[in-house]
Amino acid sequence: DTEVTQTPKHLVMGMTNKKSLKCEQHMGHRAMYWYKQKAKKPPELMFVYSYEKLSINESVPSRFSPECPNSSLLNLHLHALQPEDSALYLCASSRSSGLLGGNQPQHFGDGTRLSIL
Amino acid sequence: TQLLEQSPQFLSIQEGENLTVYCNSSSVFSSLQWYRQEPGEGPVLLVTVVTGGEVKKLKRLTFQFGDARKDSSLHITAAQPGDTGLYLCAGARNQGGKLIFGQGTELSVKP
Repeated sequence: DTEVTQTPKHLVMGMTNKKSLKCEQHMGHRAMYWYKQKAKKPPELMFVYSYEKLSINESVPSRFSPECPNSSLLNLHLHALQPEDSALYLCASSRSSGLLGGNQPQHFGDGTRLSIL
Repeated sequence: TQLLEQSPQFLSIQEGENLTVYCNSSSVFSSLQWYRQEPGEGPVLLVTVVTGGEVKKLKRLTFQFGDARKDSSLHITAAQPGDTGLYLCAGARNQGGKLIFGQGTELSVKP
């Protein structure tokens, strides 16, 4: 069982819909991440939150809008997505993302499988 | 630019065989992490190596970090069908938690 919980597990939406992906962790981690993963490929970093503040945005299109309401929750708001946005969206957390944050293991959720019609 | 070259990308072997997966870079990493991902699940951390020359063992899996901290290898002894999955190496360079992933190795172990 993963300690990072993502909902929903599957999501099908049209290009004009608005939906949100949710991620929750209760390990006391202060860094949280959103990744996009295509089949058989490595995860691609989208956003990093450190102590509830956005610290890294990897030039992600504005149709993806992250939100960190508190230290345990991370949301990804979706609007006007394109078919090429269909992918597995992974959330991860780590103890921190500070100077040595990269040395700390990232704990991944099982992802949300997103399909854009 | 792919900073971490992982090979092979695909590997299909028989149960009981040994295999090695390599991750190579021209850049130095502060640490390197290995993950395994099964279909329908997120990546699961196997090990983190931090010190140049470090060797870590996890049952039949042996991980090595190069002396210069630019490369790493994963060796599996007597592979089992349960080892099947996508193996990912990921290097850290003290950039706010950002990991540089290799392309992944899709391993299939046939009984």
